[in-house]
Amino acid sequence: TQLLEQSPQFLSIQEGENLTVYCNSSSVFSSLQWYRQEPGEGPVLLVTVVTGGEVKKLKRLTFQFGDARKDSSLHITAAQPGDTGLYLCAGVRGNTGKLIFGQGTTLQVKP
Amino acid sequence: DVKVTQSSRYLVKRTGEKVFLECVQDMDHENMFWYRQDPGLGLRLIYFSYDVKMKEKGDIPEGYSVSREKKERFSLILESASTNQTSMYLCASSGDRGGNQPQHFGDGTRLSIL
Repeated sequence: TQLLEQSPQFLSIQEGENLTVYCNSSSVFSSLQWYRQEPGEGPVLLVTVVTGGEVKKLKRLTFQFGDARKDSSLHITAAQPGDTGLYLCAGVRGNTGKLIFGQGTTLQVKP
Repeated sequence: DVKVTQSSRYLVKRTGEKVFLECVQDMDHENMFWYRQDPGLGLRLIYFSYDVKMKEKGDIPEGYSVSREKKERFSLILESASTNQTSMYLCASSGDRGGNQPQHFGDGTRLSIL
């Protein structure tokens, strides 16, 4: 059973546009991680959000953790072709160190 | 930098074969994980290990087993490969059982079962 719903699954936009990826669950997570994966490589961590309501910025990427720690979003401002890739959210399950992943969002940014 | 190395990038095997996927990490991490990645399903946890000779089932362990004889090496075994095990397999390690530290992934093994 998939506990973390990620949307949209596919996104194709023009360079310079803004976009938001959502990650929603009915479960509470102790923290939530966002990864980016490029073709032929494994996922690489972008950010971890820990506190409900937390907002973190990484250049043009803004990550939010919901107040109830059940949902998160990733907003990209002025997308560039270099942002193209698969974005994955992953919830940390309690104190186990195990992650539950969303389905992923494939982003294509066209020049 | 943490390095997680998976022994093969591509592997083709036949139905019924016993298949070994190897993973080695160089950061003395306690925790190691095996996932499979399928389009539209994200990453699903097969097995994980918190220490040498320890293993625990993940969400989809059926048809798989694992071995961790040394801290740096975690092997995934397909006892009798079937076509529905065709997938991308990713190994990861982390040093924090609490989970706030990142998992470091290998580049994956794309396994095809014919």
